[in-house]
Amino acid sequence: GAGVSQSPSNKVTEKGKDVELRCDPISGHTALYWYRQRLGQGLEFLIYFQGNSAPDKSGLPSDRFSAERTGESVSTLTIQRTQQEDSAVYLCASSLHPSQPQHFGDGTRLSIL
Amino acid sequence: AQSVTQPDIHITVSEGASLELRCNYSYGATPYLFWYVQSPGQGLQLLLKYFSGDTLVQGIKGFEAEFKRSQSSFNLRKPSVHWSDAAEYFCAVGALGGATNKLIFGTGTLLAVQP
Repeated sequence: GAGVSQSPSNKVTEKGKDVELRCDPISGHTALYWYRQRLGQGLEFLIYFQGNSAPDKSGLPSDRFSAERTGESVSTLTIQRTQQEDSAVYLCASSLHPSQPQHFGDGTRLSIL
Repeated sequence: AQSVTQPDIHITVSEGASLELRCNYSYGATPYLFWYVQSPGQGLQLLLKYFSGDTLVQGIKGFEAEFKRSQSSFNLRKPSVHWSDAAEYFCAVGALGGATNKLIFGTGTLLAVQP
């Protein structure tokens, strides 16, 4: 079956603009995660959704970042008033259940001019 | 504090040579450990995982890793490297089944393979 799908694959935008990144998890996966990967660094956890539970937002770096998920399907990560330090690859992952390994999408490469 | 350390930023090996990538972790609870590989422009692919039981785990593509609790290590090994193994490798630790399932990643080891 299809893996985790992310769109767009690349996004270039001007500083100060808002961006919206999309993640389609693997069908049936109840858990969904967003991570940020800065150049030459590991992944930083941003936010976690599990079913209808309140999301774990502990990794969001500022109030400019927000994310939503509708049920157990698509999630969107929104960054408002983008800054140059937001330039990174944003990776989405899903898992069948929190106890199962995470499967990653190919990411969205975000460049802020 | 929870952390993962991959001391080698960049490793170069010859094709056919053996490989060991180091990973050390600091974690308050019983850790669940993972190795992922990332090819350029792509997401992460799971190589192997350790949850419990046998401390030597086998993964895909001929990789294996050994969990050593006394050394807080989870090193990745492969007896004979292929050119297609050139990629970046990430070690990660998590506590599955808790309130969240976030993974903590190391900064990665970039593997180059010489012909």
